[in-house]
Amino acid sequence: GEDVEQSLFLSVREGDSSVINCTYTDSSSTYLYWYKQEPGAGLQLLTYIFSNMDMKQDQRLTVLLNKKDKHLSLRIADTQTGDSAIYFCAEIPTSGTYKYIFGTGTRLKVLA
Amino acid sequence: EAQVTQNPRYLITVTGKKLTVTCSQNMNHEYMSWYRQDPGLGLRQIYYSMNVEVTDKGDVPEGYKVSRKEKRNFPLILESPSPNQTSLYFCASRTPGVGTEAFFGQGTRLTVV
Repeated sequence: GEDVEQSLFLSVREGDSSVINCTYTDSSSTYLYWYKQEPGAGLQLLTYIFSNMDMKQDQRLTVLLNKKDKHLSLRIADTQTGDSAIYFCAEIPTSGTYKYIFGTGTRLKVLA
Repeated sequence: EAQVTQNPRYLITVTGKKLTVTCSQNMNHEYMSWYRQDPGLGLRQIYYSMNVEVTDKGDVPEGYKVSRKEKRNFPLILESPSPNQTSLYFCASRTPGVGTEAFFGQGTRLTVV
């Protein structure tokens, strides 16, 4: 079945790196996404990776994809207090392109 | 500015009193969806629409209705709200396909007492 799992909480110190992990079950997904939800706001697309890539880097963000293990991770370098938010990984399975499947979300707390 | 607008942002209501949460997008997107967000459960899709007059159930449709009479609007209707529908609701829109970004509204926090 379709299921995307994440750990619920992560706490890091300002300036450290954060790594948020996600496992998914639909190996047919073409794209995998990371969305960010700041307090009191809707979700916004942070970054995405195409399934034929292993890694994508975008400034402080690094996305790693292990298709064999169906594991996706988001690394935030030099984490700042403004990075405190909930991070959702998501996929659009090719079996049902009408919807995103979202993970449970990881709440990142950055300590000053 | 490209946006998805939901109203109201906050709503407290009583059990059984019909309510509608409106959603409007200005990007001419075909796909629109409603999600509810609950702690530890992430976002679960309630209903979706692939175009005008085309709607279908998502994962948790019980107790909800939708309509899509115009492309830009996708209201969520709770005919007889119950306390288990207390949640944070999001409307989203996007273009069809597997590599498209979803644009979300700001959310509606609903409390049913």
